[in-house]
Amino acid sequence: AQKITQTQPGMFVQEKEAVTLDCTYDTSDQSYGLFWYKQPSSGEMIFLIYQGSYDEQNATEGRYSLNFQKARKSANLVISASQLGDSAMYFCAMMVRDAGGTSYGKLTFGQGTILTVHP
Amino acid sequence: DADVTQTPRNRITKTGKRIMLECSQTKGHDRMYWYRQDPGLGLRLIYYSFDVKDINKGEISDGYSVSRQAQAKFSLSLESAIPNQTALYFCATSDFGQGQDEDEQFFGPGTRLTVL
Repeated sequence: AQKITQTQPGMFVQEKEAVTLDCTYDTSDQSYGLFWYKQPSSGEMIFLIYQGSYDEQNATEGRYSLNFQKARKSANLVISASQLGDSAMYFCAMMVRDAGGTSYGKLTFGQGTILTVHP
Repeated sequence: DADVTQTPRNRITKTGKRIMLECSQTKGHDRMYWYRQDPGLGLRLIYYSFDVKDINKGEISDGYSVSRQAQAKFSLSLESAIPNQTALYFCATSDFGQGQDEDEQFFGPGTRLTVL
């Protein structure tokens, strides 16, 4: 079974500073994908960034980067130059694939981290 | 227009009532999912469907049923609602392919269900 652990229930950051949200995962599968989603107070799930288990480079998307440490099974999200609009719940999630690379289709989510950006 | 829509967006009902939540998508994806979100627990998978003839139970299917009426439509039913089914429900879709193209799921706006 797969498991995602987000150990920070809440985080605070000053506007314009960087922040790291932690995520560790547990799986015996070799092929998988890792995601970060943002959920603002309005409730929708917004995709931020993706990292495949065989990707050698850490993923980046604008101000978001994923610090992928495969041996440690961690996939931390780094948000640079925080903005007030970054205040939201953030979820780490994982999708595992079979040996042939086909997705099992089931996302496993962590419990989330609430990020608050102070002006 | 939104690619994944859910109706209703909000619903308050009473214990024992039958409730149907509907999901429609215009992304042309074969795969559709239903998740529920409870505070402090993240999202958990209820049911998923890889095509019209394929229905699979997820982590927490007890008390729920689904119907895949067409490629674009996937409905979730609570046959006899109970208060601990009060939650935020999300529908999602994904494509068939390799890597991120297959893994990534696109979420609807969610349905807030309250069972009194």
